[in-house]
This record gives sequence, C-alpha cells and structure tokens, in this order.
Amino acid sequence: EAQVTQNPRYLITVTGKKLTVTCSQNMNHEYMSWYRQDPGLGLRQIYYSMNVEVTDKGDVPEGYKVSRKEKRNFPLILESPSPNQTSLYFCASSLSVANTGELFFGEGSRLTVL
Amino acid sequence: GQQLNQSPQSMFIQEGEDVSMNCTSSSIFNTWLWYKQDPGEGPVLLIALYKAGELTSNGRLTAQFGITRKDSFLNISASIPSDVGIYFCAGRGISGYALNFGKGTSLLVTP
Repeated sequence: EAQVTQNPRYLITVTGKKLTVTCSQNMNHEYMSWYRQDPGLGLRQIYYSMNVEVTDKGDVPEGYKVSRKEKRNFPLILESPSPNQTSLYFCASSLSVANTGELFFGEGSRLTVL
Repeated sequence: GQQLNQSPQSMFIQEGEDVSMNCTSSSIFNTWLWYKQDPGEGPVLLIALYKAGELTSNGRLTAQFGITRKDSFLNISASIPSDVGIYFCAGRGISGYALNFGKGTSLLVTP
C-alpha cells in the first residue's frame, strides 16, 4: 500500500531534549516536505527536499533541521525543543518537483513540549 | 509563503444541504488544489486544477480555477455526515515550487 509513515504519532517531551520525527515513503517520490499545523494558522511549511541531498527552508524553519540521505526518508530533527514547537506535524511527499501540489500526507505526529 | 484567504472559517449545516467555500490570493497562481482532512488524519487531495477557468468534479465535489487566476471555489452538493472535516485550499504561484495553504474551512454536518 502506498503510504507516508511518520513516527512517533504522539510524543510528550521536555524543553531541550533532542528528538527526531521520522518520515518514510514507499512511493519512490522525489519531493518531500514537513508542515506544522496549528489552530487558526493552517498548514505552514517547515522544510522541503527536492531530491536526495537537496533540502531547503520553508516558511517556518527556525528550531528545526532535516536531512535527506536516502530518497525514501526525510527525518525532522528538533535539536533543542521549546514549548512553541508544540504542534501537529505532517510529512508529505509528491512524485516530482513538477507535482509538488499533489501531496500525499502522513497521518501526523502530535508533539507536546513541556 | 503567501497566505491565502479562505472562507468561511467554519460551517455548520444539515445533511442534504449544498456547501460552498472559496479561496483568494493577492497574486496569480498556476495551480489550485483542494484537500480534505478527516479528524485525526492527514490531508487528502480532493481536486487539482491547472488552468484558468477549469471546472472539475469529483463525485459530489466541484471545484473551479478562477478566470483571474487569483481565486478558486469548492462546492459540495447534497452533503452527508462523512463530509465532516477541514477543507484546505492550496495554491502554487508562477515562480517557485512552494505550496501555499489557506487556513481551512471546518465543516460540520448534522444528520
């Protein structure tokens, strides 16, 4: 089954404790992206990757890092989480850069930073 | 990225009613898309539009790419309870690859 898989789905952590949210897709998609969803703000892009070893900042990249060492994986790293990073995070992928609108989303990772 | 103006913010309707929502931008887009997010899940693509004036249907859903290229609307006919969720418009400008999202329209349907 074609899917985007995120882990963990739920996480409660404390300020400053590094964490990684993994994202994997099995569709051989070139383009991958991370979004955060907050009440009243909709979906905001954090980082995106057009292909292996090619990443770039989205609208709200502060406090986050990403890497794209393999085509299928695009982990989101919070080196020192803070409470304002409490949010619902979505990983998404699309076939190619030309199709960046036709995104397949994961089920989301709800992160709470205390 | 550019913020899209999506309205209404929320709708509370009875089963069987038709629904209409729209999205506007201050600049020209070459792609408009509509996504639906069911409670507890990620957004799913409903309809993609690539040409000004294009009108596309997906079952009871119909979406149009505005002639000015600065707006789009989504209609749902004869709503049913499973239409409940948040509907997002999204658009991509004529330069770059970034997809801009609206803030969403929350739809509640009562039986």
